Amino acid sequence: QVQLVESGGGVVQPGRSLRLSCAAAGFTFSNTAMYWVRQAPGKGLEWVTFISYDGSRKYYADSVKGRFTISRDNSKNTLYLQMNSLRAEDTAVYYCAKDRTHTWSFDYWGQGTLVIVSS
Amino acid sequence: QSALTQPASVSGSPGQSITVSCTGTSSDVGGDNHVSWYQQHPGKAPKLMIYEVNNRPSGVSYRFSASKSGNTASLTISGLQAEDEADYYCTSYTSSDTWVFGGGTKLTVL
Repeated sequence: QVQLVESGGGVVQPGRSLRLSCAAAGFTFSNTAMYWVRQAPGKGLEWVTFISYDGSRKYYADSVKGRFTISRDNSKNTLYLQMNSLRAEDTAVYYCAKDRTHTWSFDYWGQGTLVIVSS
Repeated sequence: QSALTQPASVSGSPGQSITVSCTGTSSDVGGDNHVSWYQQHPGKAPKLMIYEVNNRPSGVSYRFSASKSGNTASLTISGLQAEDEADYYCTSYTSSDTWVFGGGTKLTVL
């Protein structure tokens, strides 16, 4: 069955960096577009970024553009999110999610990893 | 990238039907058919309930249905059950190659 397992969250000071990982299993990762979606404590969902199956297309929310970078290693079935210049408002649970093929919807989600940006 | 507009809360009694609206613009909801809906129980990851406006993934109850008219999408839950109590989010792909979520709607089953 499909499994998405995020890791790499934690407490980080403002201005510092953090890299999240998402290990995928149970589907053909190399043929699947992927996303990161976040949820601040007590708040709603916010789309963060998208990457196409081959990494050739990447899209970002304005709130993270220029600071966050999405990437993938299809040989390792792993998705990444490099987060630089972190701000307090980046504090959230970060979920990776897979695309339901060509529907631009998120059909499977990981359990999430919590990032806290605080001094 | 303004959020789609959803009511903050809706409620209904067991067995009744409720509808959650999701209003956007011609650049997102009204632009194509890439509108989807998610259910989220407290402390859990979201679950896809509807994709491409009105399609249910395998395993999602037939009690969940959805539609779209112009810039507004709607999710209807019929035959309300206690387990339906959760937060519901709509989202849409946009003409700017981004995705936008609604603010979320808390469903209370009375």
